[in-house]
Amino acid sequence: GENVEQHPSTLSVQEGDSAVIKCTYSDSASNYFPWYKQELGKRPQLIIDIRSNVGEKKDQRIAVTLNKTAKHFSLHITETQPEDSAVYFCAAYQGGSEKLVFGKGTKLTVNP
Amino acid sequence: KAGVTQTPRYLIKTRGQQVTLSCSPISGHRSVSWYQQTPGQGLQFLFEYFSETQRNKGNFPGRFSGRQFSNSRSEMNVSTLELGDSALYLCASSPAGARGYTFGSGTRLTVV
Repeated sequence: GENVEQHPSTLSVQEGDSAVIKCTYSDSASNYFPWYKQELGKRPQLIIDIRSNVGEKKDQRIAVTLNKTAKHFSLHITETQPEDSAVYFCAAYQGGSEKLVFGKGTKLTVNP
Repeated sequence: KAGVTQTPRYLIKTRGQQVTLSCSPISGHRSVSWYQQTPGQGLQFLFEYFSETQRNKGNFPGRFSGRQFSNSRSEMNVSTLELGDSALYLCASSPAGARGYTFGSGTRLTVV
């Protein structure tokens, strides 16, 4: 089955710096890769996603890149702000299985 | 448009008891998935239902079961509770499958 590894587990940056979170997946059949943000005590919320036929996608300060050959994808947050502090989860959708397999999460802290 | 509603929000149960959690998806969403979230383990897939049929199941013991009703509402049941079942249980809904999940706020289960 699919396995998703996520690094780092914790990340601390200064406000205004960039943050990068990396994930690798094992199943080459996976074709959809969402990222979720979970603030303390709240539900995970979808922030951006990418499909396997696209190499990069941007939404304001957030971007995701996908390297299908290497089976890894990354979340990039530029000009970080304190409200970006949260736990971020990557996930891979195993085609036909109707399930998302999540990484273990990255706790991002943005220091003012 | 109402979001995904999970009830109850909090539960305290004694070891050996059973518990039933409820999830009402967004109107029109026919797919409901359940996840167990614990510190350090991230989100672990329990099962996914679509049109009252379980399409996939995670690696959890048979004490964990679920069902979906004709109105797409879903319940999950855990029998013979163990201390290790203490977790946040999240459900997510989408129109048809694992893409574009919207999560509920979760039910926090504490087993004592």
